[in-house]
Amino acid sequence: RKEVEQDPGPFNVPEGATVAFNCTYSNSASQSFFWYRQDCRKEPKLLMSVYSSGNEDGRFTAQLNRASQYISLLIRDSKLSDSATYLCVVSSPSGTYKYIFGTGTRLKVLA
Amino acid sequence: ETGVTQSPTHLIKTRGQQVTLRCSSQSGHNTVSWYQQALGQGPQFIFQYYREEENGRGNFPPRFSGLQFPNYSSELNVNALELDDSALYLCASSSSLMGDEQYFGPGTRLTVT
Repeated sequence: RKEVEQDPGPFNVPEGATVAFNCTYSNSASQSFFWYRQDCRKEPKLLMSVYSSGNEDGRFTAQLNRASQYISLLIRDSKLSDSATYLCVVSSPSGTYKYIFGTGTRLKVLA
Repeated sequence: ETGVTQSPTHLIKTRGQQVTLRCSSQSGHNTVSWYQQALGQGPQFIFQYYREEENGRGNFPPRFSGLQFPNYSSELNVNALELDDSALYLCASSSSLMGDEQYFGPGTRLTVT
């Protein structure tokens, strides 16, 4: 079983739609959780950290469910510019702050 | 505030050669991590440097080695290059004083022929 698993997609959605991604992780001792966005052939950019209480930033909402060991990302009112790969990241519990990435979920927002 | 920079942006090497990739961390950051991203995959952790010492290593062979300098910049060295080493190499910096959010440089795209 992979340490961090994501549905690779692609998710093709119309502009204005709401789309949700889930990500599961295997290590219950994992400490920190993030969503990164990666455009084609570019570096990952931090989208948001995911806190136990949830986190909202504009159209983006992230949730953490420690009991079921998954995190989610909800994007409301999708824009064309949201088209990218969304990487789920879990920080190792070893104290190294080693990031463990999922393979990413591709989102394409259609006009 | 200067972001994370990496050099070179692209590199083509032949199997068996050695390569050195460079990274300058974001201002105020003292920790550098290196990742390898193959096409269609998420980045894989290679190792992390903190205060010029290796502070954790992923599942990569010893021919992947690194350094961190007093100014927190870092190098990744790969010896005896193999075709499977072709990938995007990403450097990320973070501050031990500010939690574990990491900020990535633009990467070096290495092609081994």
